[in-house]
Parts: sequence; C-alpha cells; structure tokens
Amino acid sequence: NAGVTQTPKFQVLKTGQSMTLQCAQDMNHEYMSWYRQDPGMGLRLIHYSVGAGITDQGEVPNGYNVSRSTTEDFPLRLLSAAPSQTSVYFCASSRHRAANTGELFFGEGSRLTVL
Amino acid sequence: GESVGLHLPTLSVQEGDNSIINCAYSNSASDYFIWYKQESGKGPQFIIDIRSNMDKRQGQRVTVLLNKTVKHLSLQIAATQPGDSAVYFCAGKSGGGADGLTFGKGTHLIIQP
Repeated sequence: NAGVTQTPKFQVLKTGQSMTLQCAQDMNHEYMSWYRQDPGMGLRLIHYSVGAGITDQGEVPNGYNVSRSTTEDFPLRLLSAAPSQTSVYFCASSRHRAANTGELFFGEGSRLTVL
Repeated sequence: GESVGLHLPTLSVQEGDNSIINCAYSNSASDYFIWYKQESGKGPQFIIDIRSNMDKRQGQRVTVLLNKTVKHLSLQIAATQPGDSAVYFCAGKSGGGADGLTFGKGTHLIIQP
C-alpha cells in the first residue's frame, strides 16, 4: 500500500528558480492538500482540492500554484522560489467530505531549501 | 477560521506514567477536533477525533476530553511508552471533513526511562 507519495524528498534551489513538488495518492481520495511546516509554526495549509478540477487557497497560498487534473495527483508549483519558502512540505489526502472525517493521510514530506 | 494552540511546546514524562497534552481553541463554532502524532522525520498520523456533541472519547491507550465551556481539549495517553515519543498536534474546524483543517503548533512529548 503506497498511500501518499511525495517527490522529491529533498531539494535545494536558488532564489528565483522554479520547481514542482509532486504528490500522488492511490486511495481514490477526493480531498488533497498541501501544508508547510516550519519550526515553531506548526502545519499551515497552503492549498487544497476537494476533487478533480477544483482547488482553493488555504492560509498561506502566496508564491504557490496548484492544479488537480486527476483524482490521484496534486502537484505544488513554486514559480520563483524565495528563501522564505525554505520549509518541509507535506501533502495529505482524505476521503470525500461526505465521509465526515478529518482523518488526513500524510506523505513523508519534502524538505526544500532555497538559497 | 479556527485558531488552535497547545499550552506547552515540550512535555517530559517518565515511562509508564500517564501523559496529558492540552490544547485550546478560539472559535466557538468549531465542532470537530482531531489529534495527530508526528514521529521524527515522518508525516503526521491520525490518532483520534471528537465531535462537539461528546465530552470524552476513548481509543487504544488514548482518551480525548473536550470542554466546550472553556474551549479546551486534552489528549491523555495511558502508561506512556518509548514509542509515544513524538510531536502531538491538535486540529479543529467547523463542520465535518478535512478541508481547511487548522493545526496547532505541537507539543513535543519526551519519554524518560
């Protein structure tokens, strides 16, 4: 059971570079989301999606783009990386809202450093 | 939105003792709360949840208590084991589902032998 798979696990970027963090889940979950985790800040929601073709902003969306063309994939794009985006990024998925559960299944995380 | 926060960034307990991790929330409209455990180098993992129509819910060695009057919830871990060492997060929201789930800053539970 793969669950939620994130790639890459580690990445170093220079300021201004772009990149995409990949996230895939094989549980047929309708809900997917991206969080960033910084020391002393907990988990902050960046973007989320309640289904294919639908995305919405979370608490800290600036500097990030997302798309949801399929149920399985939810990539997070950084168009012009900044040092403030140095963080650990987690992708998470959950069953449909109708399941009425807040149980999120998290990936192992992607550690990004922007120089 | 909801703002949730834990009372202590670090909690140290002796192995075998009971652990109590506390969390406060700000939005009276929040009616669904969840606890997650995050081990070092891993993603958070769901432990237990509780809805506002309950005051207490028990799982395996864990109990969550909800006090709506003072907007406070706690996670109690019985007979703490070395494997319980992790960062614990509370999360809360209004309505069911996981969309827009807001997390507190986490309490690091340290188990002393």
